[in-house]
Amino acid sequence: GESVGLHLPTLSVQEGDNSIINCAYSNSASDYFIWYKQESGKGPQFIIDIRSNMDKRQGQRVTVLLNKTVKHLSLQIAATQPGDSAVYFCADVGFQKLVFGTGTRLLVSP
Amino acid sequence: DAGVIQSPRHEVTEMGQEVTLRCKPISGHDYLFWYRQTMMRGLELLIYFNNNVPIDDSGMPEDRFSAKMPNASFSTLKIQPSEPRDSAVYFCASSFDSNYGYTFGSGTRLTVV
Repeated sequence: GESVGLHLPTLSVQEGDNSIINCAYSNSASDYFIWYKQESGKGPQFIIDIRSNMDKRQGQRVTVLLNKTVKHLSLQIAATQPGDSAVYFCADVGFQKLVFGTGTRLLVSP
Repeated sequence: DAGVIQSPRHEVTEMGQEVTLRCKPISGHDYLFWYRQTMMRGLELLIYFNNNVPIDDSGMPEDRFSAKMPNASFSTLKIQPSEPRDSAVYFCASSFDSNYGYTFGSGTRLTVV
């Protein structure tokens, strides 16, 4: 069918729940990965990063998991809050270029 | 540090006019990137510079688009002539290293009517 716009996957959660946002990448040469949060009307904001020699990294309320075998990343947000509502992008760096995925919209209900 | 600074925040122009978007990267960052965000295509890399030199401009849509970085603290993205399909949010980002941190500006929302 005709595409009228980028259809973002949406994840709806209740406040206090844990959120898991998934991302697949295609570039086998990528060795650095970043998760960004983008709120309406703002630029992407760095959340957490991970290098290819790791499979897990934790920050404050966030954890990133990397599975290089299947080229998959996930972002876990613990105790999700209304302020976490935004679009989340994974991005990978290969050959000096940061390339973004399509993004996931996270909706947090009070 | 004030972060990556873009101007203007909003630009409305008529089709056929020249548009210039500006970016001041974070001091000390050697890499500068221009991205375009649309509903149809998401975030696309247009061009990036390393030490003021354009490295990869394969994402620049066509000859109407040009970018320059005359010094380490300033870059411009120019569209001439502009068309309605150029309407988008244009982001500038800078990084200390291609494998470390990428900080984005607040973007310029361009509307071509």
